[in-house]
Amino acid sequence: DIVMTQSPLSLPVTPGEPASISCRSSQSLLHRNGYNYLHWYLQKPGQSPQLLIYLGSYRASGVPDRFSGSGSGTDFTLTISRVEAEDVGFYYCMQTLQTPYTFGQGTKLEIK
Amino acid sequence: EVQLLESGGGLVQPGGSLRLSCAASEFAFSNFAMSWVRQAPGKGLEWVSAISGSGSDTYYADSVQGRFTISRDNSENTLFLQMNTLRAEDTAMYYCAKAINSAWPLNWFDPWGRGTLVTVSS
Repeated sequence: DIVMTQSPLSLPVTPGEPASISCRSSQSLLHRNGYNYLHWYLQKPGQSPQLLIYLGSYRASGVPDRFSGSGSGTDFTLTISRVEAEDVGFYYCMQTLQTPYTFGQGTKLEIK
Repeated sequence: EVQLLESGGGLVQPGGSLRLSCAASEFAFSNFAMSWVRQAPGKGLEWVSAISGSGSDTYYADSVQGRFTISRDNSENTLFLQMNTLRAEDTAMYYCAKAINSAWPLNWFDPWGRGTLVTVSS
């Protein structure tokens, strides 16, 4: 199974400041078709996960442009350019290159 | 807007069974693979099972292989998860999720339902 490792696991951020979350995979997530099968989800308090970024760097519909994804192969980063209060929750990376699909442990973003 | 509504959760004794349902609407259900993902209380996300759009192909996590069965009724736009021989460690919120196409793997989930809670306890 592909192991996904996120860091940090806790991320206190001042509103208006940037934030970054790292996700590393135990195997390359780059398919021969040129896409990285790495996706980012946000689970807000009391809600189900919502898609933020797919295929490493493509912003999902309706996601604010302060969210961006980067990386390739085994190293990926989710960046929030200016954190807002509504961004609190748990952020998860997920790989879908192989079954079983696997998730990172989750990163809890909180407002200072 | 795509709607996914899970039901069927509840309290069950160890060794017991439950059948979860996920009613889907506002999209061409048979054109998309579907999946179940669970989240134990206070824990992270764990993929459980998936089924192709036609229902001909199914996939399971090792932790549920042989105990859970995923199925779908495309005429009723409904996804199911039959859970047998339940264990305490199966206690979790179970989310239904729509894949972005009919194939498996190489897709991802969007959106997810609100979930249904399964508690396995004596």
